[in-house]
Amino acid sequence: ELKVEQNPLFLSMQEEKNYTIYCNYSTTSDRLYWYRQDPGKSLESLFVLLSNGAVKQEGRLMASLDTKARLSTLHITAAVHDLSATYFCAVDPSGGSNYKLTFGKGTLLTVNP
Amino acid sequence: GAGVSQSPSNKVTEKGKDVELRCDPISGHTALYWYRQSLGQGLEFLIYFQGNSAPDKSGLPSDRFSAERTGGSVSTLTIQRTQQEDSAVYLCASRMGQSYEQYFGPGTRLTVT
Repeated sequence: ELKVEQNPLFLSMQEEKNYTIYCNYSTTSDRLYWYRQDPGKSLESLFVLLSNGAVKQEGRLMASLDTKARLSTLHITAAVHDLSATYFCAVDPSGGSNYKLTFGKGTLLTVNP
Repeated sequence: GAGVSQSPSNKVTEKGKDVELRCDPISGHTALYWYRQSLGQGLEFLIYFQGNSAPDKSGLPSDRFSAERTGGSVSTLTIQRTQQEDSAVYLCASRMGQSYEQYFGPGTRLTVT
C-alpha cells in the first residue's frame, strides 16, 4: 500500500523566514503533485513534478523531486501572510494513464506577522 | 472558462437516507475523479472514469457507494443508507486527455446526523 508522509503537519512561521515542507512516499513514482487549500475552499494546483531532479518555482514557492530518495520538498522563501494555507503533496503510483492520486495528510502553514 | 462545478455545496441528511452528489467537469475533460476529504482519513481516492471505459471503483469504501457518468460528462455519486462516518467533503476533479493536471471542484460538504 502506498504511503505518503508529509512533515511537519503543522508549521508556524514568521514573515520573511524560510522553511521547507517534506513529502516522502513509499513506492516508485515519477509523478508528484503539490496542492494548496485555503479554509473552506477546494484544492488549487501548485506544481506537477514529472521526473527525477525536477524543480519548479512560482513566486516564493519552489518544489523539487528526488525519485531515488522518494522525496519531494516544497521550499518557502521569505514567507508572507498570504501563504497561510494547508499544503498537500500527492503521488500517482500507477506509472500508467490513470493518475489516481494518493495524498499526504497536509501541512497547515500559518505565517505570522 | 468555467471550472469544475459541484452541487449541492452543502447537504445535511439523516442517517439511513440516500444522497446524490453531482459533478459537472470542465467541458472536454475526458477523465473524472471523485475524492473524499475527512478529518480522520484525509483525502482519499474513490472512483475514476475515463471516457467510455469501465470505471475504476477501487477506492469505494463499501457497496453503499456507487457512481455513474452519463454521456461522458456529468457524474453522480450516490451513497445509500448513509452512516455518520460518511460525513465528509466530497471533491470531484477532472482532467483533459493525456494532461497530468487534475482540476478540483469546490466540493460538497455532507453531514449525516
